[in-house]
Amino acid sequence: DAGITQSPRHKVTETGTPVTLRCHQTENHRYMYWYRQDPGHGLRLIHYSYGVKDTDKGEVSDGYSVSRSKTEDFLLTLESATSSQTSVYFCAISEGQAVLAKNIQYFGAGTRLSVL
Amino acid sequence: AQSVTQLGSHVSVSEGALVLLRCNYSSSVPPYLFWYVQYPNQGLQLLLKYTSAATLVKGINGFEAEFKKSETSFHLTKPSAHMSDAAEYFCAVSEGMNRDDKIIFGKGTRLHILP
Repeated sequence: DAGITQSPRHKVTETGTPVTLRCHQTENHRYMYWYRQDPGHGLRLIHYSYGVKDTDKGEVSDGYSVSRSKTEDFLLTLESATSSQTSVYFCAISEGQAVLAKNIQYFGAGTRLSVL
Repeated sequence: AQSVTQLGSHVSVSEGALVLLRCNYSSSVPPYLFWYVQYPNQGLQLLLKYTSAATLVKGINGFEAEFKKSETSFHLTKPSAHMSDAAEYFCAVSEGMNRDDKIIFGKGTRLHILP
């Protein structure tokens, strides 16, 4: 978890409410990722970023948007939360200067989100 | 497209016994392979990685994994289980050639250690 801070760590919200999760890194790594973890599904990539203002969709991007205005911050927004978005969300970073470095990801401690 | 299959969502072994967690992969090019471990209420951390330098890879906490191309496998082993090894383990694969290449994680295997 060193160098990666996710906030909040826990959140309970209601259906239809917008929610923003924040990932902050102090490592100056180029790549940042948002995953969700659900029982029986492992980790699934939501969105990722390969630089400031450069983002792309992952496997399960519907209902989510992201922004990266600074190297150190990567925000995940649920515009209108649904119960199916109840999950544990993990941010990850990787150095990205070389192929192997890009693939070694370091994870935050996670945010547990409950949508009621 | 690459994929990874972990056999067994739960594995139980006795303390001191051999740990074997199975992972099979699919990749169209020589892959990068990883094992990550997740302790309760924590994020994932890298246990070991295969980068084609050697087929037997040693990781942290006494774990190792062997890359077998003919079997498309990358099984994780530890000779003697310790109670502190109880965690969830994820195998991952990446072709890693381009910016858009992702790491694909398996669904995880939860390791239980019996006293």
